[in-house]
Amino acid sequence: SQELEQSPQSLIVQEGKNLTINCTSSKTLYGLYWYKQKYGEGLIFLMMLQKGGEEKSHEKITAKLDEKKQQSSLHITASQPSHAGIYLCGADRIYGGATNKLIFGTGTLLAVQP
Amino acid sequence: NAGVTQTPKFQVLKTGQSMTLQCAQDMNHNSMYWYRQDPGMGLRLIYYSASEGTTDKGEVPNGYNVSRLNKREFSLRLESAAPSQTSVYFCASRRDRGANQPQHFGDGTRLSIL
Repeated sequence: SQELEQSPQSLIVQEGKNLTINCTSSKTLYGLYWYKQKYGEGLIFLMMLQKGGEEKSHEKITAKLDEKKQQSSLHITASQPSHAGIYLCGADRIYGGATNKLIFGTGTLLAVQP
Repeated sequence: NAGVTQTPKFQVLKTGQSMTLQCAQDMNHNSMYWYRQDPGMGLRLIYYSASEGTTDKGEVPNGYNVSRLNKREFSLRLESAAPSQTSVYFCASRRDRGANQPQHFGDGTRLSIL
């Protein structure tokens, strides 16, 4: 099973609607990252959360890290077609003793219908 | 403001051919990474370079080699391409090996092995 589980796997919403994407970890999260990927493009960094209870916003996107630091949610208010894409959460894991690497969830595909 | 640049963007190879994927970053980052992205598998780490002069294997290193040419450049080589290596390859960089800092990604190389 995935160490980072995202839900839902896919989502279709009408323009103007709010939506939430969840990312749940089987381990305590020390650094949680949200990325967005459009088809044929790379991953665009959205936000980083570090502390339990932390909340950050960027334009109409808000991300939270819960107090127990095992779940994060990404909330989009008044969705627009420009929000469409794949949203990926990532978390730091120690790897090889020499570096932190990111592990990723499998992503949430968001479509916004005009 | 280039960030992470990958070349080529697309490539088709025949089984057994070799090629090198190029990656360069202009953010003065110490750590660089190569991932592959496959449907249902998410992003998986192939190799990483925690700092100039060092390289280490990631989760799926078989069939690949890397070279950290200098601080800016990190290349990925397929010595004898196989159909199983058909994938989208992403290069990423971050300031250093520590946690709580985002990785920045290139736009990817879409590689097909026939």
